[in-house]
Amino acid sequence: DTAVSQTPKYLVTQMGNDKSIKCEQNLGHDTMYWYKQDSKKFLKIMFSYNNKELIINETVPNRFSPKSPDKAHLNLHINSLELGDSAVYFCASSSTASSYNSPLHFGNGTRLTVT
Amino acid sequence: SQQGEEDPQALSIQEGENATMNCSYKTSINNLQWYRQNSGRGLVHLILIRSNEREKHSGRLRVTLDTSKKSSSLLITASRAADTASYFCAKAPYTGGFKTIFGAGTRLFVKA
Repeated sequence: DTAVSQTPKYLVTQMGNDKSIKCEQNLGHDTMYWYKQDSKKFLKIMFSYNNKELIINETVPNRFSPKSPDKAHLNLHINSLELGDSAVYFCASSSTASSYNSPLHFGNGTRLTVT
Repeated sequence: SQQGEEDPQALSIQEGENATMNCSYKTSINNLQWYRQNSGRGLVHLILIRSNEREKHSGRLRVTLDTSKKSSSLLITASRAADTASYFCAKAPYTGGFKTIFGAGTRLFVKA
């Protein structure tokens, strides 16, 4: 069973379109995250939800909107896609919101290409 | 920035050799974690070392932490071709405890 699954794996779209990436975890974790990995492999946190409550909202354009219908799901919706949004987006979860003792469990990523 | 640096950016070794990767950080941390990322996959957690620990082992992996130098190292002994991957250190700062902060990783290539 896949612990953290995200769909789609690949997403190719044109500038200006709106797209969504879905994420689900079956680990029973309370906290979920979205990270963005750029072409240089640098991994940067975007958002985090703990029990459906937004707890981290980094400096991300407001074209990006996360939604957590329940603590097992965290989706990412992106409006008016731009070329610079091309990256790999990773969903992750952890058992608690505190990073002090909770390693992250990652999905396999969604490679977004904006043309 | 809090991310610090990973060093080297890339490392190529022969199977059987040891691989050492280093990580530095700038602000005080609660713990430091190491992750592996295989090509086209998500990151997989390897080891978590707390700020009051100096060394941890897991199989062929050995992690050290020197809080006075704000640095950590990951040693992979007797490397295998299957160890080829990117390795990331991730810092959990004392403040902002919800964030785990990653760098750009070290790309390890183990030649068979």
